[in-house]
Order: sequence, then C-alpha cells, then structure tokens
Amino acid sequence: EVQLLESGGGLVQPGGYLRLSCAASGFTFSSSAMSWVRQAPGKGLEWVSAISGSTGNTYYADSVKGRFSISRDNSMNTLYLQMNSLRAEDTAVYFCAKGDRSSGWDLWGQGTLVTVSS
Amino acid sequence: QSVVTQPPSASGTPGQRVTISCSGSSSNIGSDYVYWYQQLPGTAPKLLIYRNNQRPSGVPDRFSGSKSGTSASLAISGLRSEDEADYYCATWDDSLTIYVFGTGTKVTVL
Repeated sequence: EVQLLESGGGLVQPGGYLRLSCAASGFTFSSSAMSWVRQAPGKGLEWVSAISGSTGNTYYADSVKGRFSISRDNSMNTLYLQMNSLRAEDTAVYFCAKGDRSSGWDLWGQGTLVTVSS
Repeated sequence: QSVVTQPPSASGTPGQRVTISCSGSSSNIGSDYVYWYQQLPGTAPKLLIYRNNQRPSGVPDRFSGSKSGTSASLAISGLRSEDEADYYCATWDDSLTIYVFGTGTKVTVL
C-alpha cells in the first residue's frame, strides 16, 4: 500500500527537542523529494522543510532555520525532522508529504501532533 | 504573514460555480507552478491541481485551475456538499527559495 506514516510527536517543554519520523511504503522513496508541512491549531498550512530525492539538498522556512534539520534514510525508507530549541509557536500537527515542484505534494501522511508547553 | 493571499471565505449553493483566487508576485506565482490542495475537517490535505491546471487521477473534472501572471484561481463547478472544506494554493518562491502556501479559503455550501 502506498502510504506515509508519521510518528514521534508529543508534549515537550520550551527549549526541548523531538525527532519526528515518517515511514514510507509502496513507492520508490529514494528518488522522491519529501517535505514537512505543519498546521498550528485553527491555522493554515505552513511549509517547514524539504529534501530532494536525488541530491539530498535541503531547504527550510525562515521560522525553523537553524533549529530544525531534515534528513532521510533511504535504506529504511524513512524521513526525519530533528527539532531543537522548540518554542510554543512550533505547536502544530506535522505532516510529511511526498512530491516536488513538478508533481506537487501528491501523498500525505495522517500527521503527528507536537505540543510545546511547560 | 504569507506572501500569497487568498480570500478567507467563499460560498455557494449546490450546483453553483465558486471561484477562489490566489494572489502572489513575480518571484512566486509569476515564475513557478501553482498547486491547489483541499483539506476536509480533521484530515490531511489532498492534492487537487498541480502544474497550474492539471488534475491528478481521481479528482473530478468539476475542479479546474488556471494561472495568469502573478495570480491563479481554482474553480469548483456543480458545487456539492462534500466540497465544503478549506482550500490552499501553494507555489515555490524563487527569491526566498522556499515553498509558500496561500492563506487559505474556507468554502461553505449553503
């Protein structure tokens, strides 16, 4: 089955860290560009980070640059988002999504909730 | 503050045609593809339109996209109750080297 499954969300204190994972199946993960997109409660969608399939080039929104790091393990068909120095404003549902500037994000996970609060 | 703007809401009665606009600039919509996503309450977004006006398989032809200059639009014809959702445009910004989402439009079927 073609799917993305996120995990790793939870409650963390401000200044803390979390690592999100996104397990991919049913498609050629290694050649697929991937992104993380988040949605704060009651708010719109915000693109967070992307990683290309072939070169592994990475891109970040200004709001997370220097704090978040996207990576992938093609042998495990898994995408990661390492989130450090977390802030209250990082509270959101985090989605992983497959796709690039040509295809759009044509496959999405169900999302994992990250809550940053003391 | 998003650099790509949409009207916050749109509405219509069943069977009507509704159009949602997406306004950007020469560095984003003006120079790259536009995508449209539908998000039903409590679910992940779904790709509706890619490359400005292409529909993925399985998306009804009631949904159509277009782009002109620094603006794009999504049209929903033959509006149905199940179309009630939030709709987002998205594109790449060449000068910021980031993806950007529009501010989102809530469509209500009256």
